[in-house]
This record gives sequence, C-alpha cells and structure tokens, in this order.
Amino acid sequence: QSALTQPASVSGSPGQSITISCTGTSSDVGSYNLVSWYQQHPGKAPKLLIYEGSKRPSGVSNRFSGSKSGNTASLTISGLQAEDEADYYCCSYAGSSTWVFGGGTKLTVL
Amino acid sequence: QLQLQESGPGLVKPSETLSLTCTVSGGSISSSSYYWGWIRQPPGKGLEWIGNIYYSGGTYYNPSLKSRVTISVDTSKNQFSLEVSSVIAADTAVYYCARWYTSGWYVDYWGQGTLVTASS
Repeated sequence: QSALTQPASVSGSPGQSITISCTGTSSDVGSYNLVSWYQQHPGKAPKLLIYEGSKRPSGVSNRFSGSKSGNTASLTISGLQAEDEADYYCCSYAGSSTWVFGGGTKLTVL
Repeated sequence: QLQLQESGPGLVKPSETLSLTCTVSGGSISSSSYYWGWIRQPPGKGLEWIGNIYYSGGTYYNPSLKSRVTISVDTSKNQFSLEVSSVIAADTAVYYCARWYTSGWYVDYWGQGTLVTASS
C-alpha cells in the first residue's frame, strides 16, 4: 500500500485557479469513487473539502471542486484567496478495508 | 456539536507501548453510520491512516502497522483507544482521532491532535 502521489507544491496568484492532482493505481483511486480531499492549516487538524470525488459538504465554498479521470483525482480551487494557503491531502479507499492518503501538497498564494 | 479529544502521554520510550484515548462528546459512539479511527502525521510530513473501529468492536488496520497496533472501544465511556507496541523513533507524530462516515468513507470530524514523541 503506497501513498498516493501529489505534487509537493503548487502556487497561484489571488483570483487565479489552480489544480492539485492525486495519482493512485487501479487498486485504489481507479477502482472506487471514494476519494476525499482535506485542507490543513499549520498547527490545525485537517478539514474536509470534498468527498466521493466531487461532492462538497455544507459550508465548504463552491470555489472548491473535485473530479477524477482514471487513476488520477484532482482538486481545483478557483478564485484563489490568501486564506486558501495551506496543505492539501487526498485520501482514497484502497480495497480490503484499507485507506491511503496522498503525500500532501503545499499551496502558496503569491 | 460533536467533539473528539485525544489524551495520553506525550513522551514514550523506545520499545515501550504508546497508548492514547479519544473521548467523544456531543454524540454517541454507538451510531451505526460511523467508524472511529486514528490517523497520524510525523512532524513536517503527510497523513498516515492507522486504523478504524466500529462501535461493536470490528476493526480495520493499516497492513504496514497491523502487527503493532490495537484499537479498542468502550461504548459505556463513549471512548476509543489506540495502542502501538514496540515504539520506535519513527512513531513520533501528531496523532489524530477521527470519525469516518461510512456512506462515502470520509472523515467528517477530527480531534485537535496530540503530539507523541518516542525518545529515551
């Protein structure tokens, strides 16, 4: 069970859109529509942004959206704001009642 | 509002057992819609799933940790616990307890996290 692959860092200017990828295998991301995304500010617990690949919990801004193609899931943040600067993690069901996280992506708002 | 709170020693000696408890308030641990679990984060690194437990005691563990990890539940106290045996330096991490919603399998509530350092 290997960690899902995310870019170590991404950056964007306020108002722009960015996309964070999360690449797994046909045994996890590719086989199940059970990818979730979390935002983590320094020193804080993660916060749920997206579940089941593309669904947003109530209270999460519609600037956050999720999608999946093959073995890769993606998180897109539109209209970047300074408060979006944080670490982002994907998580996928990996079969046999196990779950795997991505290595995390640090988003810098320029 | 549901709250999860981790408690336990912040320092554990190598080769000894790490023990943490998560106390759930504002809701019942015996709900059929949720599993309860542990996730850890070494300093400056990413998240790692440790394992989950159902209120009836059924467990799922990360295969890479399974031989050293035990998760248990005490419904009378609305608590669940984590034990990691034969601790090594690499077990140093912030440990989070979490609630997993089974319809979709995602974490909707997290504890604040507690740092456990494995050092002599």
